[in-house]
Amino acid sequence: NAGVTQTPKFRILKIGQSMTLQCAQDMNHNYMYWYRQDPGMGLKLIYYSVGAGITDKGEVPNGYNVSRSTTEDFPLRLELAAPSQTSVYFCASSYPSGGYEKLFFGSGTQLSVL
Amino acid sequence: GENVEQHPSTLSVQEGDSAVIKCTYSDSASNYFPWYKQELGKRPQLIIDIRSNVGEKKDQRIAVTLNKTAKHFSLHITETQPEDSAVYFCAASENREKLTFGTGTRLTIIP
Repeated sequence: NAGVTQTPKFRILKIGQSMTLQCAQDMNHNYMYWYRQDPGMGLKLIYYSVGAGITDKGEVPNGYNVSRSTTEDFPLRLELAAPSQTSVYFCASSYPSGGYEKLFFGSGTQLSVL
Repeated sequence: GENVEQHPSTLSVQEGDSAVIKCTYSDSASNYFPWYKQELGKRPQLIIDIRSNVGEKKDQRIAVTLNKTAKHFSLHITETQPEDSAVYFCAASENREKLTFGTGTRLTIIP
C-alpha cells in the first residue's frame, strides 16, 4: 500500500491563480481530511469528508473547495490564491470502523503564494 | 468549539533526562486525546493516544496522563534519546470528524 499520496510536493503560485492539490489513499478509508500548517502553529482543519459524496467545513474553509467523488480521492481546490494561503498542506485519512482511529498523513504540499 | 493550549512551545533536555509536555482543553465533551510527532520535514505520525475512560497509558518510554476534572493531559518521555528530537502536537476531540490540535512543542535533545 502507498498509504496517502499527495501531489505536488512544492508549488509557487501568483496571487489570483488557481490550483488543485491532489490527495489519494489506497487503504479504503472512509474519512479524509485537509489540514494546513502555518509556521510555528498547529494543524488547522480546512475540510473533511466522511465518505464519497459527503464533505463538510472545518475550522478554516474560506478560500478553498473540495470534492469527494470516490472513496480514494479528495482534491483541494484554491480558486483565487492569496498570500495568506502560503502554508504547508497535509491530507490525511482514517479507518472506517467505529471509535477514534489514528490519522494517516500524506507527505505534505508546501505552497507559496507570491 | 474546542480550544487546545500546549506548553511549552520549545523544550530542551539533556539526553537521558525526561521531558514533559502539557496540554489543556476547553470542551468537557472531548474524550479522545492523541499525540503526534513530526520530525523535521516529515509528516505527523501518531505516537500514543488516550481515551477519557483511562487515566494513564504507557508505551515503552512514552506515557500520557489525563486529568478530566482539570481538563488537561500530558506527554511524558523518559530516558530521552537524540531521535526524540521533533515537534510534538497534542490534540483533543469529541468526535472522530474533528480533531483540534495544539500549537506544538519543539523538543530538542542535547547530547
